Amino acid sequence: KAGVTQTPRYLIKTRGQQVTLSCSPISGHRSVSWYQQTPGQGLQFLFEYFSETQRNKGNFPGRFSGRQFSNSRSEMNVSTLELGDSALYLCASSVADMYEQYFGPGTRLTVT
Amino acid sequence: AQSVTQLGSHVSVSEGALVLLRCNYSSSVPPYLFWYVQYPNQGLQLLLKYTTGATLVKGINGFEAEFKKSETSFHLTKPSAHMSDAAEYFCAVSETKSGYSTLTFGKGTMLLVSP
Repeated sequence: KAGVTQTPRYLIKTRGQQVTLSCSPISGHRSVSWYQQTPGQGLQFLFEYFSETQRNKGNFPGRFSGRQFSNSRSEMNVSTLELGDSALYLCASSVADMYEQYFGPGTRLTVT
Repeated sequence: AQSVTQLGSHVSVSEGALVLLRCNYSSSVPPYLFWYVQYPNQGLQLLLKYTTGATLVKGINGFEAEFKKSETSFHLTKPSAHMSDAAEYFCAVSETKSGYSTLTFGKGTMLLVSP
């Protein structure tokens, strides 16, 4: 089985722009979660989607949003980028909930 | 609410020495517990998990962890460190509520292995 894939792997954006990151889960997995990882804050949970519905949400501003499609692929969007949004964004998938997640390699976002 | 505490943001060992990474959790219900490893510029990889049953859990790459309910701990050990074990390790706890599970991670421990 193919693992979780994330595109793009690296991204450089300018402050104020917006960005969309993509995640394709393992085949058969219906739950997709997103995390932000930074040296200072560690691994922080953004949100989780299941069957195209956001089921769980972390403590991030409304500039961070996501969606899930009928094929379980997910996208996350960050609008009005700030320097502090520079991070590794990780996507994880699991069969039905957040138990036993499988992670993608991440998208490294740099905001200048 | 569940939480995870990993003692020590960095742990240094010599090659061949015992590896001990500490993890304590708080959970209002019997938890599921996980250890993940992250190599540079990669995502997280599941090392091992505890769900129910035997409290000593064996994982990949020679790692094991023991669930101690009385101490609310799930420490990760490996008898003999290899250079390839150098990575960041994350402990995580899962709780099920409202019919589905949520996962909370600790802040991670960077394992440094010297020759």
